[in-house]
Amino acid sequence: NAGVTQTPKFQVLKTGQSMTLQCAQDMNHEYMSWYRQDPGMGLRLIHYSVGAGITDQGEVPNGYNVSRSTTEDFPLRLLSAAPSQTSVYFCASRRGQNTGELFFGEGSRLTVL
Amino acid sequence: KQEVTQIPAALSVPEGENLVLNCSFTDSAIYNLQWFRQDPGKGLTSLLLIQSSQREQTSGRLNASLDKSSGRSTLYIAASQPGDSATYLCAVGDNDMRFGAGTRLTVKP
Repeated sequence: NAGVTQTPKFQVLKTGQSMTLQCAQDMNHEYMSWYRQDPGMGLRLIHYSVGAGITDQGEVPNGYNVSRSTTEDFPLRLLSAAPSQTSVYFCASRRGQNTGELFFGEGSRLTVL
Repeated sequence: KQEVTQIPAALSVPEGENLVLNCSFTDSAIYNLQWFRQDPGKGLTSLLLIQSSQREQTSGRLNASLDKSSGRSTLYIAASQPGDSATYLCAVGDNDMRFGAGTRLTVKP
């Protein structure tokens, strides 16, 4: 079972570059979300979506864009990368808005120089 | 804003010991509480989900309890094994799930 798949696993960017982290799930989950994990800060929610066409901001949304055109995919876009965005990014999904377990991908490690 | 605290930050125990990990949260109006484990360099693996109407959940050697009125949850691990060594995280909330910083558990053979 694929579950939640994130690509790429590793990425190095220069300051000012843009890129997209991909996330796909094959469980027909309505809810998808993006977190970043930093040492000493724990996991913090960036953006989430409760269904195709619906997105909302989390705790730390600045510098990131999302869209949800299909149930399966929830890409995270960095518009102009900054060193402060160096982090490990996790995508997660669950069945509904407030129902079901949250399942995580393996993570994408991003370094911004 | 929901604040989630996990105590202790780190714990080292000999194999076979029973142990309790603690999670506290400031806003009792939650839908779910979920416990995860994270191995170094890996993603989070779901252990137990407790819905707001439930008091506890059990899976194998793991038992998680929820007391919404006091804003607390505990994860009980029975007969710990070296393979249980990992960081354990709790998360609470609804669409905006908030995580604690985790408890790093080491089980020594």
